[in-house]
Amino acid sequence: AQSVAQPEDQVKVAEGNPLTVKCTYSVSGNPYLFWYVQYPNRGLQFLLKYITGDNLVKGSYGFEAEFNKSQTSFHLKKPSALVSDSALYFCAVRLSDNYGQNFVFGPGTRLSVLP
Amino acid sequence: DTGVSQNPRHKITKRGQNVTFRCDPISEHNRLYWYRQTLGQGPEFLTYFQNEAQLEKSRLLSDRFSAERPKGSFSTLEIQRTEQGDSAMYLCASSLDGVALTSAREAFFGQGTRLTVV
Repeated sequence: AQSVAQPEDQVKVAEGNPLTVKCTYSVSGNPYLFWYVQYPNRGLQFLLKYITGDNLVKGSYGFEAEFNKSQTSFHLKKPSALVSDSALYFCAVRLSDNYGQNFVFGPGTRLSVLP
Repeated sequence: DTGVSQNPRHKITKRGQNVTFRCDPISEHNRLYWYRQTLGQGPEFLTYFQNEAQLEKSRLLSDRFSAERPKGSFSTLEIQRTEQGDSAMYLCASSLDGVALTSAREAFFGQGTRLTVV
C-alpha cells in the first residue's frame, strides 16, 4: 500500500529566506506526486505535480519541487518565502497502475513565515 | 464559478440523524472523490467514482456511509445514524483522467462540508 510521510509537523522560516517542506513516499510502483496547500477554512489548492520527465517541477506562487527516486522524496521548495505562504501543506501520491488511483495524502506540515 | 461546489458548507445534526451532502464537480471531469479531514490532519480517502461507477471504497466507509453519482454528474454522500465520531470536514474533489495513465491529472477540491454531530 502506498503511504506518504511529512516528517515535520511545523516549519518556521523568516520572510525572504528559502523554505523547504519535506515529503517522502512509499509505493510499490511508479508514483505520481502532488503538493497541495490549504488555507484556514478552505479546500485544498493544487500547487504542482510530478508525473514524468524533468525531476524539477515548477508550480504556482513560485514554488518548485524535486523528485528524487533513489531517496523516494519530493520536497517542496521556494527561494524566498512570503508571509502569505503561511498555511498547511500536503504532499500526495497516486499509483500509476489500474487500481488504487485515489490520492493518498501525508499528514501535513504547517508552514509559518515570520515577518 | 466553474470550480467544485459543495453544499451545504456547514451542517450541525443530532446524533442518530441522517445527513446528506452534495458535490457538483467541474463539468467535464470524469472522476469524483470523497475525502474526510479532521482538524490538523491530512485528508483520508473515502471513495471515488469514474463517471457513474463507484470504483473503490475505503475501509473507513462503514455501512452507514453511502455515496452515489447518478449519470456521472453530481454526487451525494449520505451518512445514516450519525455518531459524534463522524464530525469532520467532508471534501469532494474531481479530476479529468484520460485512458492513458500518463494523462493523470491533479484533483480540484471544493471548500468542503463541515459536519458537527452533537
